[in-house]
Amino acid sequence: DIVLTQSPALAVSLGQRATISCKTNQNVDYYGNSYMHWYQQKPGQQPKLLIYLASNLASGIPARFSGRGSGTDFTLTIDPVEADDTATYYCQQSRNLPPWTFGGGTKLELK
Amino acid sequence: EVQLVESGGGLVQPGRSLKLSCAASGFTFSNYGMAWVRQTPTKGLEWVASISTGGGNTYYRDSVKGRFTISRDNAKNTQYLQMDSLRSEDTATYYCARLYDGTYYRNWFAYWGQGTLVTVSS
Repeated sequence: DIVLTQSPALAVSLGQRATISCKTNQNVDYYGNSYMHWYQQKPGQQPKLLIYLASNLASGIPARFSGRGSGTDFTLTIDPVEADDTATYYCQQSRNLPPWTFGGGTKLELK
Repeated sequence: EVQLVESGGGLVQPGRSLKLSCAASGFTFSNYGMAWVRQTPTKGLEWVASISTGGGNTYYRDSVKGRFTISRDNAKNTQYLQMDSLRSEDTATYYCARLYDGTYYRNWFAYWGQGTLVTVSS
């Protein structure tokens, strides 16, 4: 299975930029697409899709969120960070047939 | 508006069975692949199973193969997860998820239900 590694936590100030990283132990690119996706989960809620195929914004997600990367290194950026962005962020890969795997999550907190 | 509503969770003894349901609305159910994802505080998010639009292709994580069965009824806009021979390590919140489109490979979870808690304990 492909393993995704995220830092457990990140603290940023309101209005600043937050950069969350996700590294994989195998390349998740396939024919020009990077099969890396990002989700936001607030306490007591279900996850919500933010970014798909590394850099595509999901429907209804504000442009403060962006994603980039390819191969084995990916980042989710929130700029500027708002109070409502405090949550845990997960990356997920779907390079092949299942099993699809998630990172361990990065908890974003405000300084 | 896409809605996914899970039901069927609860407390069950090890070795027993439980069947989860997920009622879908707000989209053409038969056009999308579906999946179950579970979450625990220790293991985080884990993909459990996926099913293609017509139900002919199914995939399972290794730890549930032979014990769990994913299925769907397109006439009822509902997917299911039959869980047999349950173990304590199956204790989790189970989420129903709709895939981004109709493919059952290289896909992602576009919409999620609110989750249903399954507790396996004697």
